[in-house]
Amino acid sequence: EVQLVESGGGLVQPGGSLRLSCAASGFAFSSYYMNWVRQAPGKGLEWVSSISSSDTTIYYADSVKGRFTISRDNAKNSLSLQMKSLRDEDTAVYYCAAGRLLPAFWGQGTLVTVSS
Amino acid sequence: AIQMTQSPSSLSASVGDRVTITCRASQGIRSDLGWYQQKPGKAPKLLIYAASSLQSGVPSRFSGSGSGTYFTLTISSLQPEDFATYYCLQDYNYPRTFGQGTKVEIK
Repeated sequence: EVQLVESGGGLVQPGGSLRLSCAASGFAFSSYYMNWVRQAPGKGLEWVSSISSSDTTIYYADSVKGRFTISRDNAKNSLSLQMKSLRDEDTAVYYCAAGRLLPAFWGQGTLVTVSS
Repeated sequence: AIQMTQSPSSLSASVGDRVTITCRASQGIRSDLGWYQQKPGKAPKLLIYAASSLQSGVPSRFSGSGSGTYFTLTISSLQPEDFATYYCLQDYNYPRTFGQGTKVEIK
């Protein structure tokens, strides 16, 4: 059974940092692109970042470029998102998602709240 | 960035109705588009990929069509479990972009 389990969310002050993690199991993690997608409360889905299967290609949304860093460890079947200089508008549920092209497998998400 | 425009933003329908949702891309994206279903408090679920291919395990009442800039998701006979919000997503290039969503509600 495919499983993606996010962790690391919580309450952080504006300007602060947070590191999200995603533990993957039940599929060939090292063969899949991995993605972070977020959803602000009551809003639609927003793509955040993607990393290729071998870590050679990385993409970011303009809204997070320079502040967020995606990484993966294929030996540990894990994905991370290091978030710095957090803003109020980064408040959202963050989903980890895997796919060869489109994200096909999704975790249940972890809530990040940026507030003073 | 490619803009994806969905319509309508919401609709009311009855069980058994045929429902069609459209998604327009601001430039041609071949058939590089997927459709997702999301229920409240849950993660999105992939329904359709490559514009018209049904994801494994998804009921055949869901279908997708289109290419270039115009795409549709059709539910042939709406079931109670289909009341949800639907999103399109282009995977033609980066940054990936979603449509704004279509909420399907019970009439």
